[in-house]
Amino acid sequence: DIQMTQSPSTLSASVGDRVTITCRASQTISFFLAWYQQKPGKAPKLLLYKASSLHSGAPSRFSGSGSGTEFTLTISSLQPDDFATYYCHQYNSFPYTFGQGTKLEIK
Amino acid sequence: QITLKESGPTLVKSTQTLTLTCTFSGFSLTTNGVGVGWIRQPPGKALEWLALIYWDDDKRHSPSLESRLTITKDTSKKQVVLTMTNMDPVDTATYYCAQWVAGFFGSWGQGTLVNVSS
Repeated sequence: DIQMTQSPSTLSASVGDRVTITCRASQTISFFLAWYQQKPGKAPKLLLYKASSLHSGAPSRFSGSGSGTEFTLTISSLQPDDFATYYCHQYNSFPYTFGQGTKLEIK
Repeated sequence: QITLKESGPTLVKSTQTLTLTCTFSGFSLTTNGVGVGWIRQPPGKALEWLALIYWDDDKRHSPSLESRLTITKDTSKKQVVLTMTNMDPVDTATYYCAQWVAGFFGSWGQGTLVNVSS
């Protein structure tokens, strides 16, 4: 199985900050990576797919980059609605695997 | 508008079989390139992919759970059913179904919390 490791596990930031979350794959996954946002008690929402393609309806302050084994999710200017947990997901090969999550907290 | 909704028991006992139904609208499971997957999330923990069924009835399962999982579809009813045998308290989780398109999960159901009692 491909292991997905996110860092940091928890991130404290303020409204207006630029933040970056990293996801590393234990083997190459090309660009077959998605990012999801999840708020407490709610289902995950797709933000980005194919590493850097913004899902319809996702705010443009979210961006993604990377290929191979290292990927990043960047929020250009944090908004109050962005405080949530973020998961990466590799779909290069089965079994699909998710990162352990990064909780973005208000500083 | 794409919607999915999970239904099934909220409480099952150890060793019992869990049957969950995903009822969807806004897309067809006969469309080339479309699928429905199941993902679960134990309380306070990360997401875990379980199974996937494609428009052509091909299926994929998590190897660690494959012997316990069955996924089927009823395209006329717009439903996908997941069964998991021999339930254990460690299987307590919120179970989500989601639309699969080109590998990722674009739309998710609200999830259903299943508690497994010993």
